[in-house]
Amino acid sequence: QQQVKQSPQSLIVQKGGISIINCAYENTAFDYFPWYQQFPGKGPALLIAIRPDVSEKKEGRFTISFNKSAKQFSLHIMDSQPGDSATYFCAASGNTGKLIFGQGTTLQVKP
Amino acid sequence: DGGITQSPKYLFRKEGQNVTLSCEQNLNHDAMYWYRQDPGQGLRLIYYSQIVNDFQKGDIAEGYSVSREKKESFPLTVTSAQKNPTAFYLCATQGGGGGIEQFFGPGTRLTVL
Repeated sequence: QQQVKQSPQSLIVQKGGISIINCAYENTAFDYFPWYQQFPGKGPALLIAIRPDVSEKKEGRFTISFNKSAKQFSLHIMDSQPGDSATYFCAASGNTGKLIFGQGTTLQVKP
Repeated sequence: DGGITQSPKYLFRKEGQNVTLSCEQNLNHDAMYWYRQDPGQGLRLIYYSQIVNDFQKGDIAEGYSVSREKKESFPLTVTSAQKNPTAFYLCATQGGGGGIEQFFGPGTRLTVL
């Protein structure tokens, strides 16, 4: 019940395209869903996060869509750029504050 | 990684040796975490501390030890009992005004020779 499943494992998108990464969770007690971006050899950086009281949150080119009934959430990167090439992790947590991470998605944006 | 310092950036260890990884923060955050990252895998929780002088085991604590004597510091010792210690180690902090966001340091890459 503590797992967060992330797909796809890798993704190749053309510059200007839309990148979509999906995550699914099992524990209905989770109430915080962040996305992290990690470049090689660096620590993950918080990108955007959502609470289950909203179905969508947008920050610039990055949007989280949240489907509480399906227990799924996704990251959409609009107008993908080569600089967006990185590994993306979804995560979930409940009242303990501990994050459960997905396995990660390696995104390559081709020029 | 602003406000979170991990040292060293690279660390080489011979088999059978204990090594200690440093994590320091000036964010005044209460909680601190240690994660291990292996290639192609997500982050796995080793230990965490929500307050000074208290810490709990995470999912993969065997072969590791920690201390939390100061709010600013949460060192991780990789002992000789850890059978496969080569990995990228990440420290994170959480808190400050009740915030739930976790912020990560730059990481330490440990290689066992």
